[in-house]
Amino acid sequence: NAGVTQTPKFQVLKTGQSMTLQCAQDMNHEYMSWYRQDPGMGLRLIHYSVGAGITDQGEVPNGYNVSRSTTEDFPLRLLSAAPSQTSVYFCASSSREGYNEQFFGPGTRLTVL
Amino acid sequence: AQTVTQSQPEMSVQEAETVTLSCTYDTSESDYYLFWYKQPPSRQMILVIRQEAYKQQNATENRFSVNFQKAAKSFSLKISDSQLGDAAMYFCAYRSSSIYNQGGKLIFGQGTELSVKP
Repeated sequence: NAGVTQTPKFQVLKTGQSMTLQCAQDMNHEYMSWYRQDPGMGLRLIHYSVGAGITDQGEVPNGYNVSRSTTEDFPLRLLSAAPSQTSVYFCASSSREGYNEQFFGPGTRLTVL
Repeated sequence: AQTVTQSQPEMSVQEAETVTLSCTYDTSESDYYLFWYKQPPSRQMILVIRQEAYKQQNATENRFSVNFQKAAKSFSLKISDSQLGDAAMYFCAYRSSSIYNQGGKLIFGQGTELSVKP
């Protein structure tokens, strides 16, 4: 049971480049989310999904796209990277019940030059 | 909208001593969940303890316990017998009980960096 996996762990981009952060979970969780972590601000929700084929925006969705074609995978796309997107990105998954733990991936540190 | 506030950016404790990290939140909901997450230098987010709002009894997990004051909207974390491995960033988080609230998103506080002195 690998839990939540994310790739890559580190990435450096130039302004204007695009890329996809990969996220996968093997726990058959309905809910998957992407957060970004910035100093002094905790983690903030970018996009989330409540099941395959269903996605929606969180607090800070601008500049990011997501899709969920399978239960297991939830990639995050940066369309045209900007320095303001320099951050640490976490993918998380959980089952439907609110009490249950959200499991986090190891994070991706992204730097946009 | 719900908010979570951690007013202590940094805390320090002597090994084997007890430390309390503060967290307050704001919500109009009556049913929700509260969590403390630990983030060591490895960056991995680790669940420390959780509390259901409808339960009056404070949650405990070994050396970790909470003081949940629902009326005051306060949720502090007490670490007893502090160990060097407890050094980390600690985040308080809120989750609505409604499954329709943005996929059960977690709302995080700003974090408290805890250092443990030997």
